[in-house]
Amino acid sequence: DAKTTQPPSMDCAEGRAANLPCNHSTISGNEYVYWYRQIHSQGPQYIIHGLKNNETNEMASLIITEDRKSSTLILPHATLRDTAVYYCIVRVANSGYALNFGKGTSLLVTP
Amino acid sequence: DGGITQSPKYLFRKEGQNVTLSCEQNLNHDAMYWYRQDPGQGLRLIYYSQIVNDFQKGDIAEGYSVSREKKESFPLTVTSAQKNPTAFYLCALGSGGADTQYFGPGTRLTVL
Repeated sequence: DAKTTQPPSMDCAEGRAANLPCNHSTISGNEYVYWYRQIHSQGPQYIIHGLKNNETNEMASLIITEDRKSSTLILPHATLRDTAVYYCIVRVANSGYALNFGKGTSLLVTP
Repeated sequence: DGGITQSPKYLFRKEGQNVTLSCEQNLNHDAMYWYRQDPGQGLRLIYYSQIVNDFQKGDIAEGYSVSREKKESFPLTVTSAQKNPTAFYLCALGSGGADTQYFGPGTRLTVL
């Protein structure tokens, strides 16, 4: 799996958009970008994934650059409950393999 | 969670004792995984199983053992050979080649 780089921490005001960046410059053509988050003392939760097109679901949007070397997870209206560690993971889809979690980005949403 | 059960949520054991952590599912997923998380760190893979009666070592399998006798259950035993067993243990499910994994609530093991 390609290596990812994320900032260790970020702050965001409640109600504003939270934009979490991820660099994955060595991504290969068949690797997807996945985002998970982990609220304190809970198991990680799947958020979204994509290959090259931008994706949106009820939780977030994923913007992948044209060269696929970086991506941004967008939480459009952050709430206090979005405070968590966010993990960007790159891997081949349908491989059945385990996820390679790094340290992620600790997002703090403030009132 | 929701169909993935890990029990208990907190577990205390004396040093030198083996302990078995439970992971049960009723979602009919083929693949099951065990991860370990230490404070301030990401998750590290211990063992995984993609089918009944088969399992593979992950990155940190030493001192741990597993079994997969039925699809619904994937228990993890932390043996006395594990040098630093105190950690947060997470079980996850995937459907063989699924794009996403679903995690249980975790068991926090403390060895005294």
